[in-house]
Amino acid sequence: GNSVTQMEGPVTLSEEAFLTINCTYTATGYPSLFWYVQYPGEGLQLLLKATKADDKGSNKGFEATYRKETTSFHLEKGSVQVSDSAVYFCALSHRSNDYKLSFGAGTTVTVRA
Amino acid sequence: ETGVTQSPTHLIKTRGQQVTLRCSSQSGHNTVSWYQQALGQGPQFIFQYYREEENGRGNFPPRFSGLQFPNYSSELNVNALELDDSALYLCASSQGQGTYEQYFGPGTRLTVT
Repeated sequence: GNSVTQMEGPVTLSEEAFLTINCTYTATGYPSLFWYVQYPGEGLQLLLKATKADDKGSNKGFEATYRKETTSFHLEKGSVQVSDSAVYFCALSHRSNDYKLSFGAGTTVTVRA
Repeated sequence: ETGVTQSPTHLIKTRGQQVTLRCSSQSGHNTVSWYQQALGQGPQFIFQYYREEENGRGNFPPRFSGLQFPNYSSELNVNALELDDSALYLCASSQGQGTYEQYFGPGTRLTVT
């Protein structure tokens, strides 16, 4: 079936450091890929998405590129801020499961000033 | 534009009891999906409602049931509560089935003792 595996946390960084969170997926065909962010006490917010191979999603300084050859969608940010502290979820959807979202386990990121 | 709202925010129930959680979808959205997020894990898809009909179900037992009303708000009902039902329950609404973006509410934290 369709599934997502993402880097385990927690991840602790200093402000202005480079962030990478690895995400790989298993799916037939070409799923759509997403990164969601969950700030403390809040629901999930869509951070970025990509719907086909080689697409790059970007938002708020975060980027992720859909790599079909490595079945990956790694999240990166060049210079993190304290306000980026949150839990990040990689997810996919595919027509084989009626486009329902399948999430990874989440990666907790803490940025220290 | 009002976003997705959920009630209550928190509740505590005893094993064996029944619970109803509520979700108001975003204006213009006719599809509601429910997810269970256990502590430290990613959300798991429970089911989806589209125009008052169930439209797909995840791997959850029949004691998890739902409704969608003509105004597209929705309820999640859980009977015979078990300790493992303790989780954050997230509701997401979208403009339709398929590839439409899902907008998440803040969730209801259910604790079963």
